[in-house]
Amino acid sequence: NAGVMQNPRHLVRRRGQEARLRCSPMKGHSHVYWYRQLPEEGLKFMVYLQKENIIDESGMPKERFSAEFPKEGPSILRIQQVVRGDSAAYFCASSPTGPYTFSGANVLTFGAGSRLTVL
Amino acid sequence: AQTVTQSQPEMSVQEAETVTLSCTYDTSESDYYLFWYKQPPSRQMILVIRQEAYKQQNATENRFSVNFQKAAKSFSLKISDSQLGDAAMYFCAYRSAAVQGAQKLVFGQGTRLTINP
Repeated sequence: NAGVMQNPRHLVRRRGQEARLRCSPMKGHSHVYWYRQLPEEGLKFMVYLQKENIIDESGMPKERFSAEFPKEGPSILRIQQVVRGDSAAYFCASSPTGPYTFSGANVLTFGAGSRLTVL
Repeated sequence: AQTVTQSQPEMSVQEAETVTLSCTYDTSESDYYLFWYKQPPSRQMILVIRQEAYKQQNATENRFSVNFQKAAKSFSLKISDSQLGDAAMYFCAYRSAAVQGAQKLVFGQGTRLTINP
C-alpha cells in the first residue's frame, strides 16, 4: 500500500500564477481532507471531500481557492492568482470511513505534503 | 471553537532518557478525541498515539504514553528511552465527536524535540 501520495513535493510559482496540488488517497479510502501549514505553525483544516462532493469547506479562503475530488483520479487543490501569503506546506489526508462513524476506523493518514513557494 | 495549546516551542533530552511534552486544550464538549502526531524532517505526519475522552485509562504505544487529565483539559505525551529517531516536531490535536466538527483536526503549534546523543 503506497500510502497517501501527494505531488508535486515542491512547487514554485510567481505571483499571479496558478498552483495545482494533487492528492491520491490510500487504496480503499474515499474521504479526503486538505490542511495548510504555515511556517512554524500547526496544520489548519481547509476542506473535507468525498468522491464528487465537497462536504465541508469552512476552512477554505473565500476567493482563489478551490478543491475537487472527482469520481476518477486524484483530489486537486487549486489556488488561482497566487500571492506570497499562499506560501505554505499543503497536506492531504485520507480515511477509510467518514468522521461521523465510529472513530476507531476514522484515523487520518497523511501524505508528505506539497510545499508551495510563491516568488 | 476549540483551541489546542502547546506551551513548549522546543524541548531537548538526552538519548535513553524520558521526556514529557505538554498540551492543553479548551472545549465545552464532553466527548472528543485527542492525538499526538510526529513530523520528522521529511514532513510526513505520523500518528503516534490517540486517546478517546470517554476512556479513563491512559493510552500507551510501546515507549509512548499519555497523561490524560480530562478535568484539567491536559494531554501530555511521555516518551521513554528516547531514541535519535524520535527527533521531530510533535503536534497535539483535538477532534470533536459531534457531527458538526468531527471532520476537523485542530492542531497545536507544535514542540520541536531534539535528542542529544
